[in-house]
Amino acid sequence: KAGVTQTPRYLIKTRGQQVTLSCSPISGHRSVSWYQQTPGQGLQFLFEYFSETQRNKGNFPGRFSGRQFSNSRSEMNVSTLELGDSALYLCASSKSDRGYGYTFGSGTRLTVV
Amino acid sequence: DQQVKQNSPSLSVQEGRISILNCDYTNSMFDYFLWYKKYPAEGPTFLISISSIKDKNEDGRFTVFLNKSAKHLSLHIVPSQPGDSAVYFCAAYAIHTGTASKLTFGTGTRLQVTL
Repeated sequence: KAGVTQTPRYLIKTRGQQVTLSCSPISGHRSVSWYQQTPGQGLQFLFEYFSETQRNKGNFPGRFSGRQFSNSRSEMNVSTLELGDSALYLCASSKSDRGYGYTFGSGTRLTVV
Repeated sequence: DQQVKQNSPSLSVQEGRISILNCDYTNSMFDYFLWYKKYPAEGPTFLISISSIKDKNEDGRFTVFLNKSAKHLSLHIVPSQPGDSAVYFCAAYAIHTGTASKLTFGTGTRLQVTL
């Protein structure tokens, strides 16, 4: 059974650029959530999608956005990158419509220089 | 506002001994708690959970204790093994609020099990 797939695994971008990260959930999972992991901050919630609708959003600036497609695949976009956006971005999917039975992907390591 | 706190960033324990990882929360709406384990370059994996109607849940070497009055939970690993060396995240959720809740994580505790 395929797990949650995140692409790319590693990314280096320059300040001011934008980036799009992709997440393919486990087949049959309709809920996808995104988290940002930075040292000392743990996992900070970005947003959650269920059946193409954003259901919850964390306390991140509007530069962070996301969407979910009809096949449950999700993308997140960060515009006007800042050095502080360097982090591991984790995607998690769940079969349930309740956002806690998560399976995480391995993440995308974004470095902004 | 860190609603889930893990005040010990790191912990070192000898192989065979007990590891105790602690977690505190401030939001009284949380009624479901989970522990995740994370190795470098991998995503977190679910370890064990507990509902607020219980005060203890056991799964093999892992036991989670919940003290609702103190808003505190702990994860006990007995006996600790070198393969347990990882970062452990505590997480909390408000099931009764339905889909409005989100899984809230602590900052993590790095456990190192030494030989």
